This record gives sequence, structure tokens and C-alpha cells, in this order.
Amino acid sequence: DAGVIQSPRHEVTEMGQEVTLRCKPISGHDYLFWYRQTMMRGLELLIYFNNNVPIDDSGMPEDRFSAKMPNASFSTLKIQPSEPRDSAVYFCASSQKVTGEQYFGPGTRLTVT
Amino acid sequence: GENVEQHPSTLSVQEGDSAVIKCTYSDSASNYFPWYKQELGKGPQLIIDIRSNVGEKKDQRIAVTLNKTAKHFSLHITETQPEDSAVYFCAAWGEGTYKYIFGTGTRLKVLA
Repeated sequence: DAGVIQSPRHEVTEMGQEVTLRCKPISGHDYLFWYRQTMMRGLELLIYFNNNVPIDDSGMPEDRFSAKMPNASFSTLKIQPSEPRDSAVYFCASSQKVTGEQYFGPGTRLTVT
Repeated sequence: GENVEQHPSTLSVQEGDSAVIKCTYSDSASNYFPWYKQELGKGPQLIIDIRSNVGEKKDQRIAVTLNKTAKHFSLHITETQPEDSAVYFCAAWGEGTYKYIFGTGTRLKVLA
């Protein structure tokens, strides 16, 4: 398997624009996690899915953030409208069990100017 | 809210020495504690984990200990090598909250 795939790897956008980050989990993994990493706040869990169903989204910072998982092989994290404070590295991870090894993707570095 | 405190934030050791990183968690219902290593420009990678029914686990040069009473767990790396240089994160899974809380990370530098 190619591992968790994220796209784009880098995204630069202007404040107010919509941003969509994409993730393809490892086949057969039932859990998918979205994280945000910044120097100030470290690694934060934003939301996670089990069998395509959102289980906990309490980490989503604001209504500007939304995540979907339309099928077992694809998930998106959308920010609309984006703000400079959203600049961070966003990671997607997948696992077979909720308490088990999570396989992280390479991340998307988002810069909002 | 629930949190995980991690210390130290930076750690420098001489090659061959041991390194210890400590984490304290607040949620007494936490029952799974993974440790991740993150190299520059990459996503975190699991290096070892421990469940609450075990006090210690080893994997070659890496070990993790858990003290449920004190609610803390530690990562021990022996015979450190330059390739151990990275940022290490601890995390706790709350069986009551059903979420992961990560520590703030420790930047380990192994000096050759």
C-alpha cells in the first residue's frame, strides 16, 4: 500500500478564499483522523471518522471548518473562509482500530496570507 | 478540559547516553498511550505504545513505563544514536471522552 495520501502538499491562499484539503486513507482502515499542527498549539485532533461517520468533531475550531468522508477511500477538510490564523500543517491519519497505530500522511502545509 | 503535559520540551544528549521523556495525563479513564516520532518534514510515526493493563513494554532500545496511580508514563531510549534526533510526542486515549490528547512534544538532539 502507498500509505496515507494527502493533497496538495503545499497550499498558499489569500484570506477569505475557500481551501479544500484531501486525504486517501490506507485501504481497510476503518478510522480516519484529521489533525492540525502549529508551533503554538502543537498537534491537535480536529475530527475523526469511523466507517465514514464522524464520531467526534469537538476539535474543529470554528464553523468555518468542515470535514466529510463520502466513502471509505476519500475525505476532505474544508475551510471557508480561510484566515491567516489557519496557517498550519494539516495531517490526515488512518488506523484499523481507534486504539492502535495511526498511519500519518505527509501533511499539507497551508499558508493563508 | 483533559490535557497531557510533556517534559522536557527540548533534550540534548551525547550519543550512546540514555534519554527519558515524561508525560502526565489528567483523564483517569485513559487506557491507551502511544508515542510518536516526527522527523523534519514528515508525519508522526508510532514507535511504541502501551495499554493500561501493562506497566512496562520494551522494543529493542525503546521502552515505555506507565504508572496509572500517578497518571504518568515515560519514554526511555537507551544507547541513543544520531538518527534518534527528532520530535517525540506522547498521547493519551480517553476511554470516557473517546478522543486523543497529544503532549506538546520534545525535541531530542543526539550529539555525535
